Amino acid sequence: AQSVSQHNHHVILSEAASLELGCNYSYGGTVNLFWYVQYPGQHLQLLLKYFSGDPLVKGIKGFEAEFIKSKFSFNLRKPSVQWSDTAEYFCAANQGGKLIFGQGTELSVKP
Amino acid sequence: DTAVSQTPKYLVTQMGNDKSIKCEQNLGHDTMYWYKQDSKKFLKIMFSYNNKELIINETVPNRFSPKSPDKAHLNLHINSLELGDSAVYFCASSPSSGRRDTQYFGPGTRLTVL
Repeated sequence: AQSVSQHNHHVILSEAASLELGCNYSYGGTVNLFWYVQYPGQHLQLLLKYFSGDPLVKGIKGFEAEFIKSKFSFNLRKPSVQWSDTAEYFCAANQGGKLIFGQGTELSVKP
Repeated sequence: DTAVSQTPKYLVTQMGNDKSIKCEQNLGHDTMYWYKQDSKKFLKIMFSYNNKELIINETVPNRFSPKSPDKAHLNLHINSLELGDSAVYFCASSPSSGRRDTQYFGPGTRLTVL
């Protein structure tokens, strides 16, 4: 069965710092990968997704992610974070129509 | 113009009670899901319905019974509630059950069992 791992449990950054959140998946075949964000008290929102093609995908709010097949990774990046990016970030892979989520990474941005 | 809505938002109840959570989507999607988010924020799928038919049924106690009266609604009924059922339950929908389909989530229902 496919699994998804996020190794950073809690990341604390100052505003304007660059962000990279790690995500690794276990499946060796075709993967469909997603990053979702959950702002405090809110529902999950899609940031970006990768199916095929250009391994560098751009999402909303200045986020991007790079799919590296050889490393089984799909890391999320943002060049300069803002206080409003404080949230929980979830990486997920779609296996047979169901989303397999990583453990989540809590991002705290200090003003 | 809420896309995926859930009621209630909060639910506090005693152990042993039976409760239901309702979910509705107005996106015209064929597939709906229930996910459970535990206290450590880990999200796990419970069920999925495609056009009113159950297609995914994870290892969930049979005290949990989903019902889909039509493809726009997916309700979750829980019998004999236990302390461990306390969690946030998210409903989601997607255009189809395909692996590339984006799933859109509802606001969640925070269930607290006392």
